[in-house]
Amino acid sequence: GIQVEQSPPDLILQEGANSTLRCNFSDSVNNLQWFHQNPWGQLINLFYIPSGTKQNGRLSATTVATERYSLLYISSSQTTDSGVYFCAARAPMNRDDKIIFGKGTRLHILP
Amino acid sequence: EPEVTQTPSHQVTQMGQEVILRCVPISNHLYFYWYRQILGQKVEFLVSFYNNEISEKSEIFDDQFSVERPDGSNFTLKIRSTKLEDSAMYFCASSEVWNTEAFFGQGTRLTVV
Repeated sequence: GIQVEQSPPDLILQEGANSTLRCNFSDSVNNLQWFHQNPWGQLINLFYIPSGTKQNGRLSATTVATERYSLLYISSSQTTDSGVYFCAARAPMNRDDKIIFGKGTRLHILP
Repeated sequence: EPEVTQTPSHQVTQMGQEVILRCVPISNHLYFYWYRQILGQKVEFLVSFYNNEISEKSEIFDDQFSVERPDGSNFTLKIRSTKLEDSAMYFCASSEVWNTEAFFGQGTRLTVV
């Protein structure tokens, strides 16, 4: 199955800073999602982005499927952005329907 | 906005007891999943379910686990005889069609004592 690697594993920033989180995957994917896990453990859908670029407020994401990576950008970080960010992918065109999660990037935003 | 709902949000159970975790997927979705996350670790696939049968399961999903869609709205995960190592956050997810965006519930935190 596909492998999903995220970097960096941990990131500490001051409030107001910008950040870029990276997700590499080992094979072509048909489906790529970014999630934010808040301090209560809830998984919040951020983006469904198999390819291209999407923006939602201070967050944006880009997936370059041919080069097997995706990036999540957070601008003007706020303390509420703290938590773990996961990317998750599914391989295309086979019977394997499971989403594979990366290990996540733990983001700490300091006031 | 439609969402996946899970109950209870937190369950504490004694080792050896049976637990049932409940999920209500988004109403027009056809594919259902359970995942788990042991504290501090990655989110792991347990099982996928379509057309009233398991379509795929991981090696974690052994005979102690079962899933059921007892009616048109609920999707349950049963653990027959819980072990300490079953303590984790369990997430239910659903998607409208195969291999599209999956929507996750808020999770059930299971603590086995």
